[in-house]
Amino acid sequence: GQQLNQSPQSMFIQEGEDVSMNCTSSSIFNTWLWYKQDPGEGPVLLIALYKAGELTSNGRLTAQFGITRKDSFLNISASIPSDVGIYFCAGQSKSQGAQKLVFGQGTRLTINP
Amino acid sequence: EAQVTQNPRYLITVTGKKLTVTCSQNMNHEYMSWYRQDPGLGLRQIYYSMNVEVTDKGDVPEGYKVSRKEKRNFPLILESPSPNQTSLYFCASSYRTWDTEAFFGQGTRLTVV
Repeated sequence: GQQLNQSPQSMFIQEGEDVSMNCTSSSIFNTWLWYKQDPGEGPVLLIALYKAGELTSNGRLTAQFGITRKDSFLNISASIPSDVGIYFCAGQSKSQGAQKLVFGQGTRLTINP
Repeated sequence: EAQVTQNPRYLITVTGKKLTVTCSQNMNHEYMSWYRQDPGLGLRQIYYSMNVEVTDKGDVPEGYKVSRKEKRNFPLILESPSPNQTSLYFCASSYRTWDTEAFFGQGTRLTVV
């Protein structure tokens, strides 16, 4: 099955730093989603993007749906300890049917206080 | 409280011994899905269901079965578990398709020895 290429796979940063991660695909997606998974929990939706070029913010988080519809990025500004976790991008394409959601490999974020 | 509940949270079993992981949602969602999460691979879809009695294969269905006799429940069945099915499993539900927010359960960590 199709997968998204998410990078970086892991990040080690200092508290207060900004974070940037991205996802790319060889095919077009109609919807991009960003999830966060806390240790021992299931993923929780952070931001949903439905339109090429769309830039959406949720507090300190900002995500964009790439113009080519083949990529998306997530930025976190002024990181804090509770930002620790695994971040997943996910995409949905009409060619695969509305029922299938494809996930990236995840970015594990570690923050040094 | 709106939630997706999986049971058990942890399970250690032996090769070949049939097991069932239950999933229940209380949000009257039509769409439910099972994923497995493995290091470096992100989440991969096993099976999904668009409504009662409607199920279909995801990307990695081999060795798994599902059923959807009631809207709220979507059990995952491993008829003859093998060590390569050792993984972290997540059930998820959404109102309809992935154009709306998906809610994930807390996960089931399965070890097959």
